[in-house]
Amino acid sequence: GAGVSQSPSNKVTEKGKDVELRCDPISGHTALYWYRQSLGQGLEFLIYFQGNSAPDKSGLPSDRFSAERTGGSVSTLTIQRTQQEDSAVYLCASSSSALSAYEQYFGPGTRLTVT
Amino acid sequence: AQSVAQPEDQVNVAEGNPLTVKCTYSVSGNPYLFWYVQYPNRGLQFLLKYITGDNLVKGSYGFEAEFNKSQTSFHLKKPSALVSDSALYFCAVRDLGGFKTIFGAGTRLFVKA
Repeated sequence: GAGVSQSPSNKVTEKGKDVELRCDPISGHTALYWYRQSLGQGLEFLIYFQGNSAPDKSGLPSDRFSAERTGGSVSTLTIQRTQQEDSAVYLCASSSSALSAYEQYFGPGTRLTVT
Repeated sequence: AQSVAQPEDQVNVAEGNPLTVKCTYSVSGNPYLFWYVQYPNRGLQFLLKYITGDNLVKGSYGFEAEFNKSQTSFHLKKPSALVSDSALYFCAVRDLGGFKTIFGAGTRLFVKA
């Protein structure tokens, strides 16, 4: 079946511009996560959504970062006024539920380069 | 707070030899533990998980991991390494009452033919 998809796969933007990254989770998965992977670094948790509950935004690094999930499915991560330190691979994952030990299924990521 | 440590940035092993990738964790209660693998130019894939029960967990591609509560470790093992096992491996932890999964920094495994 279809996995998690993300778009665009690559994004190059100028410092100060806003960007939107999209994630389509696996159909039926109620939990959705965003992570950031910087070169040579592990995965940094950004935000997660579980069903209709309020999202856990505790990992967002600044108020320039925001995310929404429409209709319990597609999610968009928005970075305003991008900075060079925002350059990274942004990964989206979904799972059957965040309320148990379900494994996460990851998308291929969006590589963001801020020039 | 939860944390995961992967003490080795890189592990080198010859093909056919056993491999171990180390992971230690810290949580306030009982943990859920995971291993994921990231092959070059591919997304992260789930390998195996420990929830409860048998301390030895078997997963994909012949990998297994041993949960050791007293040492708070969850080392990944494989009896005989393949060149195709070369990848970046991540250990992850979540406590039973939480929703956030914390990932380690990753360990790069190189298997030489």
